[in-house]
Amino acid sequence: DIQMTQSPSSLSASVGDRVTITCRASQSISVSLHWYQQKPGGAPSLLIHTTSTLQSGVPSRFSGSGSGTDFTLTIGSLQPEDFATYYCQQSYSLPPTFGQGTKVDIK
Amino acid sequence: QITLKESGPTLVKPTQTLTLTCTVSGFSLSSSGVGVGWIRQPPGKALEWLALIYWDDDGRYSPSLKNRLTITKDNSKNQVFLTMTNMDPVDTATYYCAHRSLGIENSFDYWGQGALVTVSS
Repeated sequence: DIQMTQSPSSLSASVGDRVTITCRASQSISVSLHWYQQKPGGAPSLLIHTTSTLQSGVPSRFSGSGSGTDFTLTIGSLQPEDFATYYCQQSYSLPPTFGQGTKVDIK
Repeated sequence: QITLKESGPTLVKPTQTLTLTCTVSGFSLSSSGVGVGWIRQPPGKALEWLALIYWDDDGRYSPSLKNRLTITKDNSKNQVFLTMTNMDPVDTATYYCAHRSLGIENSFDYWGQGALVTVSS
């Protein structure tokens, strides 16, 4: 299985901050990397697919980049509704695997 | 509008078999390219992919759980089923079914609300 490692595991930030979350794959996954947002008590929702393509309806302050083994999710200006846990997931090979999550909370 | 909803027991005893149902709407389970997956999340922990069934009934499983899982579907009832045998307290989790994104490999663009399953005697 391909292992996905996110960093940091958690972070505290203020509204308006620029936030960066990284995800590293244990082997090259090309651009087969997706990001999900999960709010407390809710199901995950697809935020960005294939490294950098925003899912319909996702605000443009979210962006993704990377290729191979190293990927980044950036929130350009953190908003109150962005406080959540973020997961990366690879789909390069079965089984799909998720990172351990990054919790973004209020500073 | 695509929706998915999980149903099943909230409490199972150790060694019992769990059967979960995912009832879908807004798409056909038999349409080319369609897939529905099951993903679980233990309380306070990360997501874990379990299984996926494609439109042609091809099923794929997590290698670590393959011996315990069976995924099937009933196209006429718009339902996908996941069976997990020999349940253990470590299987306590919220179980989600999710729609495989069309044309975007195995990402999941629509999710059910989740069903919390507790394994306890």
